[in-house]
Amino acid sequence: EAQVTQNPRYLITVTGKKLTVTCSQNMNHEYMSWYRQDPGLGLRQIYYSMNVEVTDKGDVPEGYKVSRKEKRNFPLILESPSPNQTSLYFCASSSLPGTSGGADTQYFGPGTRLTVL
Amino acid sequence: GENVEQHPSTLSVQEGDSAVIKCTYSDSASNYFPWYKQELGKGPQLIIDIRSNVGEKKDQRIAVTLNKTAKHFSLHITETQPEDSAVYFCAAPVRGGATNKLIFGTGTLLAVQP
Repeated sequence: EAQVTQNPRYLITVTGKKLTVTCSQNMNHEYMSWYRQDPGLGLRQIYYSMNVEVTDKGDVPEGYKVSRKEKRNFPLILESPSPNQTSLYFCASSSLPGTSGGADTQYFGPGTRLTVL
Repeated sequence: GENVEQHPSTLSVQEGDSAVIKCTYSDSASNYFPWYKQELGKGPQLIIDIRSNVGEKKDQRIAVTLNKTAKHFSLHITETQPEDSAVYFCAAPVRGGATNKLIFGTGTLLAVQP
């Protein structure tokens, strides 16, 4: 089954304790992205990656890091989490744009609800 | 850069009625407009999309219309059912889709009353 998986699904942590949220896709997609979802703000992009070893900042990258060492995995790293990073996080993947004449369908994972105390 | 506005933020309809959600965008180069449905506890899932070379696209009870001149697009759901209750997001690409980056609207919570 084609899917994007995220782990953990729920996480409660304390300020300053480093954490990693994993994301994996089995669709051989080049493009992967992280979003955070907050009430009234919709989905905002944190970081994205066009391919292995190619990453770039989205709209709200402060306080986050990512890596893309393998095509299927795109972990999100919070080196020193703060309470304002309490949010619902989604990983997404898609084929590269241009393969179907423009931006392509993004497939989302089930989400990770993070609480930073 | 691209800016997407979505209205209304909440919408309550009776089962069987129609629902319409509207979005406006700012970048005239945008050429792809998807709609995502997010059910409780799940990630958003694409339900329909439209590209800039057509004005309307239908898929059973859902349809999307696009007005490139006015830079707005709308989601239409007919004969609504309780399972249509969810949060709906519109989106538009940045830089016409060159990077696959999407800017999302703030979402519409649709409640279908039985």
